[in-house]
Amino acid sequence: AQSVAQPEDQVNVAEGNPLTVKCTYSVSGNPYLFWYVQYPNRGLQFLLKYITGDNLVKGSYGFEAEFNKSQTSFHLKKPSALVSDSALYFCAVRVPMDSNYQLIWGAGTKLIIKP
Amino acid sequence: ETGVTQSPTHLIKTRGQQVTLRCSSQSGHNTVSWYQQALGQGPQFIFQYYREEENGRGNFPPRFSGLQFPNYSSELNVNALELDDSALYLCASSLLAGVDTQYFGPGTRLTVL
Repeated sequence: AQSVAQPEDQVNVAEGNPLTVKCTYSVSGNPYLFWYVQYPNRGLQFLLKYITGDNLVKGSYGFEAEFNKSQTSFHLKKPSALVSDSALYFCAVRVPMDSNYQLIWGAGTKLIIKP
Repeated sequence: ETGVTQSPTHLIKTRGQQVTLRCSSQSGHNTVSWYQQALGQGPQFIFQYYREEENGRGNFPPRFSGLQFPNYSSELNVNALELDDSALYLCASSLLAGVDTQYFGPGTRLTVL
């Protein structure tokens, strides 16, 4: 079955420290992978995506993600966390749907950055 | 902000009623996807519309239906509301489903009593 897993419900990081939010996937074929962020009572905001090419993808707000095909992972990273990064983060992967595609989503990881 | 708007922001209905949620796509986008996000969970795909035709559907019953209009705005209709339909409903627009990035609206919070 095709799926996305975010193994950590919550990640706590001190401000200024590097952060990592983990995502693993299981899909057939080449994966298209996405990271989104959700602030309280808001919709989802796009951070970055991997389609092909360089395994290190740079995105919005200083975030980056590393695609690792052998480990089927797409972890989100940031070198120095800000308190304002505290939010809910979702990983998503594209899967075939009839003659088209849809996104399936992880359950989300709550990121808490402490001053 | 993405340019995708949704209305209303909040809605309270009782079990058995019907509801219509609305979404305006980002300018130039011809694909709209609708998602249901229950509390504490990731979004679940309901269906997708491309140029006024439904071209994909998730595991939701037929009482969830939709429309897309010539200006690419969209509606989600839910009949015979159940308590479990209480959730945040998100729409997302994109230029080309599956490849292009989806841009989300702020969502409609539906509460079914």
